[in-house]
Amino acid sequence: DIQLTQSPSFLSASVGDRVTITCRASQGISSYLAWYQQKPGKAPKLLIYAASTLQSGVPSRFSGSGSGTEFTLTISSLQPEDFATYYCQQLNSPITFGQGTRLEIK
Amino acid sequence: QLQLQESGPGLVKPSETLSLTCTVSGGSISSSSYYWGWIRQPPGKGLEWIGSIYYSGSTYYNPSLKSRVTISVDTSKNQFSLKLSSVTAADTAVYYCARHKGSHYGMDVWGQGTTVTVSS
Repeated sequence: DIQLTQSPSFLSASVGDRVTITCRASQGISSYLAWYQQKPGKAPKLLIYAASTLQSGVPSRFSGSGSGTEFTLTISSLQPEDFATYYCQQLNSPITFGQGTRLEIK
Repeated sequence: QLQLQESGPGLVKPSETLSLTCTVSGGSISSSSYYWGWIRQPPGKGLEWIGSIYYSGSTYYNPSLKSRVTISVDTSKNQFSLKLSSVTAADTAVYYCARHKGSHYGMDVWGQGTTVTVSS
């Protein structure tokens, strides 16, 4: 199975900050990576797929990059509604998720 | 737009079989190129993929759960189902159903989730 390791696991930031979350795969996965945002008590929401393609309706302050084994999710200017937990996911079977990054208000 | 809704018992006894159904509305479960999957999240923990079924009926399971999992589809009811046998307390989680395409695409539509507790 392909393991995904996210860093950091916890991030404290302020509104307006630029933040970056990293996801490393245990073996190359080309660009088969997606990013999700999850708020408490809610289902995950797809933000980015194919490593860098923004899902329809997702604000442009979210961006993704990377290929192979290293990927990043960047939020260019944090908004209050962005404080949540973020997961990366690879979709080669068996599908796996990173352990999550909890983004909290400083 | 497409919506998914999980349903099933919220409480299951240890050693019994957990059975959940996901009802698809606003679209057809037989739409080509789509997979229909189950994902779970234990309390306070991360996401775990359980398995998926292709629109044609082919199934793909998490190897760690494969011996206990069956996913099936009922196109006449526009539903797909999950059965997880021999459950233990470790299977207590929020269970989500979701739609996805091939490896390049993410899971773009999710149900709201249903909580299943395994307890006697």
